Amino acid sequence: DQQVKQNSPSLSVQEGRISILNCDYTNSMFDYFLWYKKYPAEGPTFLISISSIKDKNEDGRFTVFLNKSAKHLSLHIVPSQPGDSAVYFCAASAEWNMRFGAGTRLTVKP
Amino acid sequence: KAGVTQTPRYLIKTRGQQVTLSCSPISGHRSVSWYQQTPGQGLQFLFEYFSETQRNKGNFPGRFSGRQFSNSRSEMNVSTLELGDSALYLCASSRGADPHGIFGQGTRLTVV
Repeated sequence: DQQVKQNSPSLSVQEGRISILNCDYTNSMFDYFLWYKKYPAEGPTFLISISSIKDKNEDGRFTVFLNKSAKHLSLHIVPSQPGDSAVYFCAASAEWNMRFGAGTRLTVKP
Repeated sequence: KAGVTQTPRYLIKTRGQQVTLSCSPISGHRSVSWYQQTPGQGLQFLFEYFSETQRNKGNFPGRFSGRQFSNSRSEMNVSTLELGDSALYLCASSRGADPHGIFGQGTRLTVV
């Protein structure tokens, strides 16, 4: 049931540079997309979201881009900071049906 | 405002046993969703409850079941435990009309 895929299990970037995390989905019924961040021993915390009627949403250092025709979304973090090191999950929602990707572990090196 | 509370935090069970996990949502939240997190598989959706009714169910065997009480607290039960059921079980609560679920810290289940 891999309706949401994060094909990169890990990503390493230098502090101050851009981090780009990618996510693909297969179900065209999804109309709301979210990114969650997870630290070890904690539950995921909501980061940023985007509705299918938009193609971009910004919140500080975080920007989410949505390409509906390609069924692809990405999360950009600029500039990356060591505290951003965590596992990032993308999620897609249609009504009460939410599916998560497998996660990408981001490591930001000082 | 208290967060989502999951109990117990850690649990060790033997193969073949059954287990019940509890999730208390944020006050006023009527939706509770359950997820299983295993390495490499991310968060796999188990089921979602809203006002004591199961609204959605993922692709898990019937050994996994759940329920929600009138106070919105939810429990999930796994019967005839298998080694592969070892995972972090997370629940998330929301008002029900929006998908911004707030997660609890999870219950780490180890089956030996």
